[in-house]
Amino acid sequence: IAGITQAPTSQILAAGRRMTLRCTQDMRHNAMYWYRQDLGLGLRLIHYSNTAGTTGKGEVPDGYSVSRANTDDFPLTLASAVPSQTSVYFCASSPDRDGSPLHFGNGTRLTVT
Amino acid sequence: GENVEQHPSTLSVQEGDSAVIKCTYSDSASNYFPWYKQELGKRPQLIIDIRSNVGEKKDQRIAVTLNKTAKHFSLHITETQPEDSAVYFCAALQVGNTPLVFGKGTRLSVIA
Repeated sequence: IAGITQAPTSQILAAGRRMTLRCTQDMRHNAMYWYRQDLGLGLRLIHYSNTAGTTGKGEVPDGYSVSRANTDDFPLTLASAVPSQTSVYFCASSPDRDGSPLHFGNGTRLTVT
Repeated sequence: GENVEQHPSTLSVQEGDSAVIKCTYSDSASNYFPWYKQELGKRPQLIIDIRSNVGEKKDQRIAVTLNKTAKHFSLHITETQPEDSAVYFCAALQVGNTPLVFGKGTRLSVIA
């Protein structure tokens, strides 16, 4: 079934540890995004990629990095996790930045202790 | 950059009544305005969208209106049902330029 897959589903992480959230899509979408969702703050863009080989910073990029080595994968890395990074993380993709709908993954619930 | 304000943050309506959620945006160059619905524990999903060359769009019980001059757009849900209970997000972007920017969401509760 075509779609977007995130892993892990949930994770408890000690502060200071490194963590990579995985995101894979099989729809051959050019654009991919990482959002974090916090109560009362909605969906805030962390990083995005318009096409393989390019990335850009969103609204809240600090403490996160991404790479886009190919079309399908867009991992998000927390180099040294802090409690304020406790959140639900959604990966999304769209065919292009032409106003096509975003397709979201199921999310990763991350707790940093 | 774009800033999207969404009101109200919570909304309770009786089943069968209408619900209206309003959003304003700051960037006059924005030209695409989608609405997403997120049920509890689920991913956000697109329910309707509108582009800047259209003033209104309807899909069954859902409609969106856009006022480009005032830079605001609204979601209208008529004959609400319990399954409409969810968090609704508006968003805006300038096609081909900035990524989608979301409002903070509205939690809609439909009381049976």
